[in-house]
Formats: sequence, structure tokens, C-alpha cells
Amino acid sequence: GAGVSQSPSNKVTEKGKDVELRCDPISGHTALYWYRQSLGQGLEFLIYFQGNSAPDKSGLPSDRFSAERTGGSVSTLTIQRTQQEDSAVYLCASSSHKTGLGGYTFGSGTRLTVV
Amino acid sequence: KQEVTQIPAALSVPEGENLVLNCSFTDSAIYNLQWFRQDPGKGLTSLLLIQSSQREQTSGRLNASLDKSSGRSTLYIAASQPGDSATYLCAVRGTGANSKLTFGKGITLSVRP
Repeated sequence: GAGVSQSPSNKVTEKGKDVELRCDPISGHTALYWYRQSLGQGLEFLIYFQGNSAPDKSGLPSDRFSAERTGGSVSTLTIQRTQQEDSAVYLCASSSHKTGLGGYTFGSGTRLTVV
Repeated sequence: KQEVTQIPAALSVPEGENLVLNCSFTDSAIYNLQWFRQDPGKGLTSLLLIQSSQREQTSGRLNASLDKSSGRSTLYIAASQPGDSATYLCAVRGTGANSKLTFGKGITLSVRP
């Protein structure tokens, strides 16, 4: 597609439920990032996929968080047993080159609210 | 570990002013630096991308400079308008094979009519 697409745009879930957030990067982009932005905070790195390499998961805050990228394209971020502190905007970005040569394009984000 | 700093956290100016937003980073080994704009409740919109070999980039009323050796970048906004009110973030991409895109916390700009 023309841009990075994220769905859903908004998600309200009950504490303890699992949620899945989806990111559809720009076609052909090999690099994909997930970031989290809590209210009034900066962007917190979560996970980075580059081509077929093993993902960099160093930013995932707990083992309740996981992500996968199927076929080098669509990525899903899963949060199990959601907690109120998971409430944030989850942003996805993709880039055409592993070094980010062409810059990064961000999606509009998924606003997650855990009640 | 790369750290990106943007000071001040907030800025309020009258319409028409030329202004400079600053960004500094601790590790000069970068591939590129990118400035983004974020409107409240929205995602990030790319404004300018500067490769490590470049000194500046321009787009309309925006000009971004990069001094890699001193670890600094500035975003210059000419003749500011109320529509420029937003949060401006800078981000650097390191040169390591698995380097991440590291963001500053942003500068929230308010342009008063």
C-alpha cells in the first residue's frame, strides 16, 4: 500500500484479556519497528524485524509481549493478560533498507486502553 | 548507548517568528537523522531526512541541519504559523547492524495567532 497501515485504530479491552495489534508495512520494506508511546512520554522501542534475521526483542517490557512477522510483511504484536499500564499508543514503522537509508514511515498507531 | 536530547520540552512563540528547534545525540556513528511532526492523538509524519554525509535538507519553510561530529541537529522553521503547532521529534539511526531508531522526547511547539 501507499503507507503503513495499522489496525485497529482504537482498542478498549478489559484487564486480563489478550489483544492483537496489526501492522501492514509498505510493500517491499524489509525493516519493521514497533514502538510504544505512553501519555506524555517519548517513544519506547519494543521490537525490530529486519528481513529474515532474528528480531531484536530487547525492548519488549515483559514476557506478556510478543510479536511476529509473517512472510516478511505483516506483523502482529500480541499482549497477553493486559494490564492498565499497557495503555498507550502502539506505533509501527517500516523502512526500505536495513540502515534506514530511505527514512522511516510510521503508521497512525493503535490507541490501546485497558480498563 | 545512543541518547537523544531535545531541549526545551515546550516552546510558545507568536505567529511569524522564525524559530530553531535543537536536537543533540551522544553517539556520532549514525546513518541518518530524521525529523518528525506529531499532532495530538496522531501518528508521526516525516518532515526531513538527513543522511550522515549531508549537512542540511530543506522543504518549504523547513530547514534541517546536521553536524555529526558535534552530535547536533537543528530544525529551522521560517515565518511560523499557528498550523505549525505540534510536537517535533528527532530520531537517529545508528550504524550498527541492529541499531535501533532512537528518539528524543520531542519539543511541543505552540504558535500563537
